[in-house]
Amino acid sequence: DAKTTQPPSMDCAEGRAANLPCNHSTISGNEYVYWYRQIHSQGPQYIIHGLKNNETNEMASLIITEDRKSSTLILPHATLRDTAVYYCIVRVKNAGNMLTFGGGTRLMVKP
Amino acid sequence: GAVVSQHPSWVICKSGTSVKIECRSLDFQATTMFWYRQFPKQSLMLMATSNEGSKATYEQGVEKDKFLINHASLTLSTLTVTSAHPEDSSFYICSAKVNRGDSPLHFGNGTRLTVT
Repeated sequence: DAKTTQPPSMDCAEGRAANLPCNHSTISGNEYVYWYRQIHSQGPQYIIHGLKNNETNEMASLIITEDRKSSTLILPHATLRDTAVYYCIVRVKNAGNMLTFGGGTRLMVKP
Repeated sequence: GAVVSQHPSWVICKSGTSVKIECRSLDFQATTMFWYRQFPKQSLMLMATSNEGSKATYEQGVEKDKFLINHASLTLSTLTVTSAHPEDSSFYICSAKVNRGDSPLHFGNGTRLTVT
């Protein structure tokens, strides 16, 4: 699996958009970008994933650059409940199924 | 859909005793489940891959005789921490995937184990 790099922490004002970056410069053509988050003392929660096209669901939007070397997870209107550690994971879909977690970004949403 | 339930959510046990943690896929079948461990302020580390009807596969450094995994059905995997010691105190999390195409992994809510 390609390695990812994320900032260790970020702050965001409540109600504003939270933009969480992820670098994955060694990503290969058949690797997907997955985003999960972990709220304190809970299991990780799946957010979204994509290959090369931008994706949107009820939780967030995923913007992947044209060269696929980086991506951004966007929470359009962050709430206090979005405070969590966000993990960007790159892997071949279905390959082994397990996920390898890096350090993630600790997002603090402030009132 | 795709709910993974873990039980118990927390447990305190004495050193030397064994503890069993259950992981269930509530509304789907999972031929493979994964067990992770997370120490405070650290990321999740994969411990083992649990395969229904066969032996689990353990990651390097994880003692298979200490962390017994049983995956007897398509909806249940159990992790037993045998002869627990204080250093086994951790947050244990299981995950499973719907056996369909591009479904992502779904995680249980974890079990906080404290060994005294």
